[in-house]
Amino acid sequence: KNEVEQSPQNLTAQEGEFITINCSYSVGISALHWLQQHPGGGIVSLFMLSSGKKKHGRLIATINIQEKHSSLHITASHPRDSAVYICAVKGDNNDMRFGAGTRLTVKP
Amino acid sequence: DGGITQSPKYLFRKEGQNVTLSCEQNLNHDAMYWYRQDPGQGLRLIYYSQIVNDFQKGDIAEGYSVSREKKESFPLTVTSAQKNPTAFYLCASSHSTAYFNSPLHFGNGTRLTVT
Repeated sequence: KNEVEQSPQNLTAQEGEFITINCSYSVGISALHWLQQHPGGGIVSLFMLSSGKKKHGRLIATINIQEKHSSLHITASHPRDSAVYICAVKGDNNDMRFGAGTRLTVKP
Repeated sequence: DGGITQSPKYLFRKEGQNVTLSCEQNLNHDAMYWYRQDPGQGLRLIYYSQIVNDFQKGDIAEGYSVSREKKESFPLTVTSAQKNPTAFYLCASSHSTAYFNSPLHFGNGTRLTVT
């Protein structure tokens, strides 16, 4: 079993829909990152969080340390949000573990 | 604008040849990292460097080598000893020398194909 599990693997939505991507992890962590990988391959860091909730524009990231779970929400989705979203955790032993990613396609 | 530049975007090599992937950053970051990405898998750490002239092996260092002679540059050499070198390679950097305690900045990647 992977230490970082994301669901769903693939997600297709209509423009305007509210989207949720989930991340569960099995190790103790000190921080969790959400990353966005564009079709060309480049990766952008969206959030780094260790507790609670962060918001940036239409993106919201939450984390529940007790339940070892994080969610990434996208409100009013748009075709330009189409990308692979990756969850990554920084473990207590100072290493980083990455989920396999969730491929999001938003149709106009 | 500051950022990370990886070159080339696509690279083709014959089996048995060593190949070097370039990674340059002008963000003044101390820490730099090399990852490998394969379909359906999470990124895996090859090597990382927290400071000039120092680097550490990651989870899958076998068949790879790096150098960190300058703060701005962290080239990765894929040697002929790497049994399955075809993959997408990503370079990243972060400000903090405390490993992964600050946001990561990624390059656009190099897709290496070895035949």
